[in-house]
Amino acid sequence: AQTVTQSQPEMSVQEAETVTLSCTYDTSESDYYLFWYKQPPSRQMILVIRQEAYKQQNATENRFSVNFQKAAKSFSLKISDSQLGDAAMYFCALGAGGTSYGKLTFGQGTILTVHP
Amino acid sequence: NAGVTQTPKFQVLKTGQSMTLQCAQDMNHNSMYWYRQDPGMGLRLIYYSASEGTTDKGEVPNGYNVSRLNKREFSLRLESAAPSQTSVYFCASSEAQGGTGHYEQYFGPGTRLTVT
Repeated sequence: AQTVTQSQPEMSVQEAETVTLSCTYDTSESDYYLFWYKQPPSRQMILVIRQEAYKQQNATENRFSVNFQKAAKSFSLKISDSQLGDAAMYFCALGAGGTSYGKLTFGQGTILTVHP
Repeated sequence: NAGVTQTPKFQVLKTGQSMTLQCAQDMNHNSMYWYRQDPGMGLRLIYYSASEGTTDKGEVPNGYNVSRLNKREFSLRLESAAPSQTSVYFCASSEAQGGTGHYEQYFGPGTRLTVT
């Protein structure tokens, strides 16, 4: 069974500053993928960034980057130059291989508040 | 390109009533999923369908049934609604086939269901 844990129910950041959201996971699969999804007040789920477990290099998408520590099973999201539009709930998710058929296991979510 | 659509967006039911949530995707995806989102618990998988004609249970299937009507449509039915089924329901789809976990999921806008 897979588990994903987000230990920070809420985080806040000042506009233009940097914030890091934490995520730890557990899986017995060797082939897996990790995702961060953003859910703004509109409720729409939006993919922010994706990391393949076999890749050493940390994924980056513009102001969003991850710190993937495979041995520690840690997958944190760093948001640089935070903007008001980054305010949302953020979910970490794990997609494992085997017979997963693309199923994802989600963490509990972290609410991010951005202060002007 | 509509992506994933869900109907209705909001619904109020009385205990014991039944209803079907509809979901359709126009991306020719093989796999479709139904999740529920509850405060502090992230998204939990109810049922999924790896391909047309197949369905399987997820983490929280009790009280629900599903139908994969064709490749585009995947419906979720509550036969006898209970207050514990008050939640936000999301449908999602992905290209995933078999043991692949790296495809992102595309989500519908969600249905807020209240059972009184």
